[in-house]
Amino acid sequence: AQSVSQHNHHVILSEAASLELGCNYSYGGTVNLFWYVQYPGQHLQLLLKYFSGDPLVKGIKGFEAEFIKSKFSFNLRKPSVQWSDTAEYFCAVTITGGFKTIFGAGTRLFVKA
Amino acid sequence: AAGVIQSPRHLIKEKRETATLKCYPIPRHDTVYWYQQGPGQDPQFLISFYEKMQSDKGSIPDRFSAQQFSDYHSELNMSSLELGDSALYFCASSLGRWEASYEQYFGPGTRLTVT
Repeated sequence: AQSVSQHNHHVILSEAASLELGCNYSYGGTVNLFWYVQYPGQHLQLLLKYFSGDPLVKGIKGFEAEFIKSKFSFNLRKPSVQWSDTAEYFCAVTITGGFKTIFGAGTRLFVKA
Repeated sequence: AAGVIQSPRHLIKEKRETATLKCYPIPRHDTVYWYQQGPGQDPQFLISFYEKMQSDKGSIPDRFSAQQFSDYHSELNMSSLELGDSALYFCASSLGRWEASYEQYFGPGTRLTVT
C-alpha cells in the first residue's frame, strides 16, 4: 500500500532560521506530490506541487521543494522562516491517473518570534 | 474567488443518530473528495466522485455513503454514528481533467461532534 512518511512531527525554530521538512513516499510508479499548510483553525491550503519537469518547485510564501526520484523524497525548504509560518505542514501524494490522495502525518512547526 | 463551501460548519449529534454533510465545489469543478481528520491526525481519504460517479474509495466505513449530484455538489451521509466519528470532515474539489485534476481546493470543513 502507498504511504507517506514525514520525519519530524514537531519542529521549533527561531525567526530567520532555515527550515527543511522531510517527506518520503512509498510507491514505485508515477506520482504527483504536494505540500499543504494548515494554519491554526483554518483549512488546508496548497503550498506547492510537483507533477513533472524541473524537480525543484517553488511555491507560495518563499517555500520550495525538491523531488528526488531515486530517494522517493520531496523535502520542503524555506531559507528564512517567519513567525507567521507557524502551522502544520502536510506532505501528500496522488498516484498519477488516480484520485486518492495519501497524506503524511503532518509536521507541526512553531516559530518563535 | 469562489471557494469550496461546506455546510454545516459545526454539527453535534448523539450516538446512533444520522448526519448529512454537504459540499459545494468551486464552480466548474467536477471532482469532489471527502476526507476525515481526527484530532491531531492527518486527513484520511474517504471517497471521491468525478462527473457524478464514484472515482475512488478509501477508508470509508460501510455506515457512510456519499453521492454527487447533477449540480456537482456532494453529500456525505453518516448513519449509526459512533463516538469515534467525531472529527473534522473536509471536502475538496478539483477539475478532473488531465493534470489539473490533481490540484485540490479544500473547504473549511464540518466539525462533527458525536456525544
